[in-house]
Amino acid sequence: GAGVSQSPRYKVAKRGQDVALRCDPISGHVSLFWYQQALGQGPEFLTYFQNEAQLDKSGLPSDRFFAERPEGSVSTLKIQRTQQEDSAVYLCASSLDGRSYEQYFGPGTRLTVT
Amino acid sequence: AQTVTQSQPEMSVQEAETVTLSCTYDTSESDYYLFWYKQPPSRQMILVIRQEAYKQQNATENRFSVNFQKAAKSFSLKISDSQLGDAAMYFCAYRSLNSGGSNYKLTFGKGTLLTVNP
Repeated sequence: GAGVSQSPRYKVAKRGQDVALRCDPISGHVSLFWYQQALGQGPEFLTYFQNEAQLDKSGLPSDRFFAERPEGSVSTLKIQRTQQEDSAVYLCASSLDGRSYEQYFGPGTRLTVT
Repeated sequence: AQTVTQSQPEMSVQEAETVTLSCTYDTSESDYYLFWYKQPPSRQMILVIRQEAYKQQNATENRFSVNFQKAAKSFSLKISDSQLGDAAMYFCAYRSLNSGGSNYKLTFGKGTLLTVNP
């Protein structure tokens, strides 16, 4: 079956623009995660959904970051008024449920803010 | 909070030889998973191997094996008979299993870039 997909793969935004990054998890996966991976670093947790409920948003770096998963499948990570420090790869992952040990990752969206 | 440390930013190995990547972690918890993920240039993170902390036996997946030392909080990855396709960034990751906490998110190290020389 299809894996986790993300779009766009690359996004260039001018400072101050809003961006929206999309994640399509594996069909039937209850849990969805967003991670931010800065250049030369490991991924860092941003937020976690179980179905449509956002159970943890403790990793979102500022109130400019907002994530949603309104129907419990596709998720969107929105960044308002982008800043240069937002430049990173944004990874989405899904798992069957909250207990499943394996998270399946998408290819990520590389965001460059100029 | 848990931390994961990978002290080797880069490693290289000759094709067909063996290489070991190091990882240490800090936690006060007793129940957790440890993982090694591979991230090739395509950026897609792929799970290589996992270890449950309660298991004393080291996990093995084909050419990949771990040396899990719980008391020392050490979790190294050994790649045997290295292949060109093993070249990638390797991340060590921790996941808590304690109930009541954030036992779903992964905490990653900074990664080790592995080069395989023909």
